[in-house]
Amino acid sequence: NAGVMQNPRHLVRRRGQEARLRCSPMKGHSHVYWYRQLPEEGLKFMVYLQKENIIDESGMPKERFSAEFPKEGPSILRIQQVVRGDSAAYFCASSPTSNYEQYFGPGTRLTVT
Amino acid sequence: EDQVTQSPEALRLQEGESSSLNCSYTVSGLRGLFWYRQDPGKGPEFLFTLYSAGEEKEKERLKATLTKKESFLHITAPKPEDSATYLCAVRVRGGGADGLTFGKGTHLIIQP
Repeated sequence: NAGVMQNPRHLVRRRGQEARLRCSPMKGHSHVYWYRQLPEEGLKFMVYLQKENIIDESGMPKERFSAEFPKEGPSILRIQQVVRGDSAAYFCASSPTSNYEQYFGPGTRLTVT
Repeated sequence: EDQVTQSPEALRLQEGESSSLNCSYTVSGLRGLFWYRQDPGKGPEFLFTLYSAGEEKEKERLKATLTKKESFLHITAPKPEDSATYLCAVRVRGGGADGLTFGKGTHLIIQP
């Protein structure tokens, strides 16, 4: 039973480019969460999605960041016009329902040059 | 504001030397406290969920306990492979909110 899958594992972007991070939840999981981990910082919640719906985006920066979880295919975290401060590890987690433990993927390490 | 504080930030133990990691929390309404293990360059690995004061969970050399203000992760006779960063997280009450609030973690090193 495959776990949460994220790709790419490493992504390098120049300032001003767009970054697209993908997450495929565990089989049978319809709830997806995105977190960001900055160097020397803890994991910070960004957004919570179910299929075709954003449930809670209270941790998402107001500009340049967006997320989706379409009916078919992986969840996508999109960062437009990246800046150096966006360099971080981005983790996706999934669960079968709300109010349940969340299982994390290996993360995507974004470097903005 | 909900807060999770872990201590110590780092801990170095000899193999076989038991100890405890602390996670203290200040939240508006706890819906669950979670412990994760994170190895360098990897995603957090789920260990335990605790829901109410007095609850305990155990797995191999690890035991997690919960009070109304804090949780402890007890490590008994640790081995070098237990070296990792241990993360504590809470889920709080709130309509639709399901994201976890994490502490900064305790970096544990077990020396052979």
